[in-house]
Amino acid sequence: ETGVTQTPRHLVMGMTNKKSLKCEQHLGHNAMYWYKQSAKKPLELMFVYNFKEQTENNSVPSRFSPECPNSSHLFLHLHTLQPEDSALYLCASSQESRQGGVEAFFGQGTRLTVV
Amino acid sequence: AQSVTQLGSHVSVSEGALVLLRCNYSSSVPPYLFWYVQYPNQGLQLLLKYTTGATLVKGINGFEAEFKKSETSFHLTKPSAHMSDAAEYFCAVSGVYKYIFGTGTRLKVLA
Repeated sequence: ETGVTQTPRHLVMGMTNKKSLKCEQHLGHNAMYWYKQSAKKPLELMFVYNFKEQTENNSVPSRFSPECPNSSHLFLHLHTLQPEDSALYLCASSQESRQGGVEAFFGQGTRLTVV
Repeated sequence: AQSVTQLGSHVSVSEGALVLLRCNYSSSVPPYLFWYVQYPNQGLQLLLKYTTGATLVKGINGFEAEFKKSETSFHLTKPSAHMSDAAEYFCAVSGVYKYIFGTGTRLKVLA
């Protein structure tokens, strides 16, 4: 496999369930990101990891818990979600440098439905 | 702070017609600008990017964009639309470890 792979592609969960989203990048990048994409809203940056260290948390509710065990894997642990959390969750990676200006590579996303 | 504004959430063009999708940016430093395309239930795919140098940037699938500092714009164009261009297009500006996306423009191509 190449690029950024997300599993599962679709997930339906109840509000009391606990589930995890997985992202794996095969590009040797040093940064990984979680974005939330809801209908009629801009992409929302949730978390950023640089070399396994979380560098940004955009005021995301604690029911979303990220984990980055190494620079190739990123998880998003979900618990006691709300229906408004239903969205497409996108993982991305990039090879950042001091200068910036590099593109992010995206996975195909996980379509999450909270019932 | 950096931001981008995409004018027009929906654009319709006839097959073979010019495609023009508008993006204006705000940045206190020289911006790095991107256009991405998203097909239904897919992730975002890079079309093209501007970092430095030539202001007219060519991308995949016949798209190009021109960086105009005086107008703070980075509009996306394609001379002749194809049915397969129907998708959602996102403009983005980036710093280090940060990508700020516009709200997207959904392109519809009419036969």
